[in-house]
Amino acid sequence: GQQVMQIPQYQHVQEGEDFTTYCNSSTTLSNIQWYKQRPGGHPVFLIQLVKSGEVKKQKRLTFQFGEAKKNSSLHITATQTTDVGTYFCTAGATNKLIFGTGTLLAVQP
Amino acid sequence: NAGVTQTPKFQVLKTGQSMTLQCAQDMNHEYMSWYRQDPGMGLRLIHYSVGAGITDQGEVPNGYNVSRSTTEDFPLRLLSAAPSQTSVYFCASGPPTNEKLFFGSGTQLSVL
Repeated sequence: GQQVMQIPQYQHVQEGEDFTTYCNSSTTLSNIQWYKQRPGGHPVFLIQLVKSGEVKKQKRLTFQFGEAKKNSSLHITATQTTDVGTYFCTAGATNKLIFGTGTLLAVQP
Repeated sequence: NAGVTQTPKFQVLKTGQSMTLQCAQDMNHEYMSWYRQDPGMGLRLIHYSVGAGITDQGEVPNGYNVSRSTTEDFPLRLLSAAPSQTSVYFCASGPPTNEKLFFGSGTQLSVL
C-alpha cells in the first residue's frame, strides 16, 4: 500500500533558526496536504499543493511540491515558539488520505 | 460554528466492553472519516464514508464498525474493546474533493 515517510521524526531548534521537514511518497501523488498539530490538540489544515514544482508561501512557511510529485517539503524561516507542534503531510486517493509519520518540532526560546 | 464535535473527550473501558464514539459535523460535508493516533505512528485511517449509507475500510479497520445514516453523524463502534485499542481517536470531515479535512478535538480512550 501507499507509504508516506517524513524526516526528521524530531527536530529541536533555537528560536530564530530555520526548520525544514521532508515528505516522501512511494508513489506519484495527485496532490499533497500539510497539517499542523499542537501538543494536546488536533490536526489543523495548512495547505494543499497540486501542481508539479509548485511553491506556496504562508508568511514564514514555504511549501514545495517536487517536480516528480513524489516528495514535498515545508520550510519555516526564523522559527518562533508558536511554531511548536507536529507537522504532517498527507497523500493518497481522494477518499483515503494517508498521513505521514510526522515531524515534531521543538523550539527553545 | 461548531464544526466537528466528538464525544466523549475521555473514556476508560475494561477489556471486552463495547462502546460508541460519537462524531457530528454541521458543515454539510459528504466525506467523514475516523483516525487513530498512537505515539510514533502518526494518524491511521480506520473507516471512512463518502455519504449517507456509504462506508468503507481504511488502513486499520479490524475491531471497529461504522455506519452513516445521516450526513451529520458518523459514529465509531468498538464491539469488544482490547488494550491494543488504547489510543486517541479523531473524527474528520471534508468536502467531496478531499481538498481539506476538518478535525474534531479527539477522544482519548484507555482500555484496561
